[in-house]
Amino acid sequence: GAVVSQHPSRVICKSGTSVKIECRSLDFQATTMFWYRQFPKQSLMLMATSNEGSKATYEQGVEKDKFLINHASLTLSTLTVTSAHPEDSSFYICSASSTYKSEQFFGPGTRLTVL
Amino acid sequence: AQKVTQAQTEISVVEKEDVTLDCVYETRDTTYYLFWYKQPPSGELVFLIRRNSFDEQNEISGRYSWNFQKSTSSFNFTITASQVVDSAVYFCALSGTGTASKLTFGTGTRLQVTL
Repeated sequence: GAVVSQHPSRVICKSGTSVKIECRSLDFQATTMFWYRQFPKQSLMLMATSNEGSKATYEQGVEKDKFLINHASLTLSTLTVTSAHPEDSSFYICSASSTYKSEQFFGPGTRLTVL
Repeated sequence: AQKVTQAQTEISVVEKEDVTLDCVYETRDTTYYLFWYKQPPSGELVFLIRRNSFDEQNEISGRYSWNFQKSTSSFNFTITASQVVDSAVYFCALSGTGTASKLTFGTGTRLQVTL
């Protein structure tokens, strides 16, 4: 149990376009989802925490207008990178937790490349 | 504020050697969780262990063992008889015990096991 999926696994886009990444909890209801970003050879940095039905809480330095997060249901959260630029190229990983599963379960990640 | 320090950036060992990955943490919480994750080249995080701050017993799982020393705020990870498949980046992480607790990751240790 506790499987989290992400789609797409890899995306390449042109500068200026918007990209949506989906994070789904497949076998449990995720009351909280987290979005992380990992640059090459660096650690995972938390971008934002989202609770189902409410606005996401962004970490300091993360632009909320650029990284739109929606957690509309207990099994789905989306991260939209708006007007992506090459510096947004990174590995984006989501995780999910619930009232009954206090630890975070991680998705396989999405590698975004902006040309 | 929470902080996790992994002082070893890269470690290179020959197969069958034992290797210890160090992790030192800082937190003001009285209860917390400590984690170790493995990140192979594919990028997906692999959960290895979660330790509650109340439980200072060392744990062994096959070739893996963990040494939790609350007195020195350390949670070290030892791989016995390392194998090439152990080559990966290993992250130590810390969180509170609530369902929406943030995970704070260390900078990771890249382990290279060669023949």
